[in-house]
Amino acid sequence: QVQLVESGGGLVKSGGSLRLSCAASGFTFSDYYMSWIRQAPGKGLEWVSHISTSSTYISYAEYVEGRFTISRDNAKNSLFLQLNSLRVEDTAVYYCARDLRGTCSGGSCAAPFDFWGQGTLVTVSS
Amino acid sequence: SYELTQPPSVSMSPGQTARITCSGDALPEKYVSWYQQRPGQAPILVIKKDTERPSGIPERFSGSTSGTRATLTISGVQAEDEGEYYCQSADSSGTRVFGGGTKLTVL
Repeated sequence: QVQLVESGGGLVKSGGSLRLSCAASGFTFSDYYMSWIRQAPGKGLEWVSHISTSSTYISYAEYVEGRFTISRDNAKNSLFLQLNSLRVEDTAVYYCARDLRGTCSGGSCAAPFDFWGQGTLVTVSS
Repeated sequence: SYELTQPPSVSMSPGQTARITCSGDALPEKYVSWYQQRPGQAPILVIKKDTERPSGIPERFSGSTSGTRATLTISGVQAEDEGEYYCQSADSSGTRVFGGGTKLTVL
């Protein structure tokens, strides 16, 4: 079965950095886009970034552009998110999710995320 | 920025039909998906492409759309359905957006 396991979260001071990882299993990782989605404590879900199957297409939410970097290693079935210049408002649980964007075409496409990991908590202190 | 609007909360007794709405200007042109998030757990996809139920999701979950509003219907609500429900779609550039979430309480 599909499994996504995140790691790398922790407590960091404002301005610091962290590298999140997501280990995937149970499916052909290289066939799927992948995304990071976050959830601040007691708040809703926010899409952060996605990456295409061969890393050709990458996109970020406005509020992380220039600070976060998404990457993947298909040989190791792994997804990564490098978080730099962290701010207090980046405090959240970060989920990796399998992204159906690559299977979606046409103007009506609003691809869903069909499997999610359990998340890793990033806490940024001032 | 594009927004999807959901009611903050819905309360139902077991066996009743719960309807959770999601409003957005672009919904006539963009598919909607729905997620269930139980307390302390990761979200689960329960509806995609407006009306499609992924494998393993109970038949009591269904989705529909009308104009700028999408609706998640849970027929015969059970205690295990309690949690937060989020709609998700995309803006005109394809950036995925989530609604603010609706807390379903089963009384």
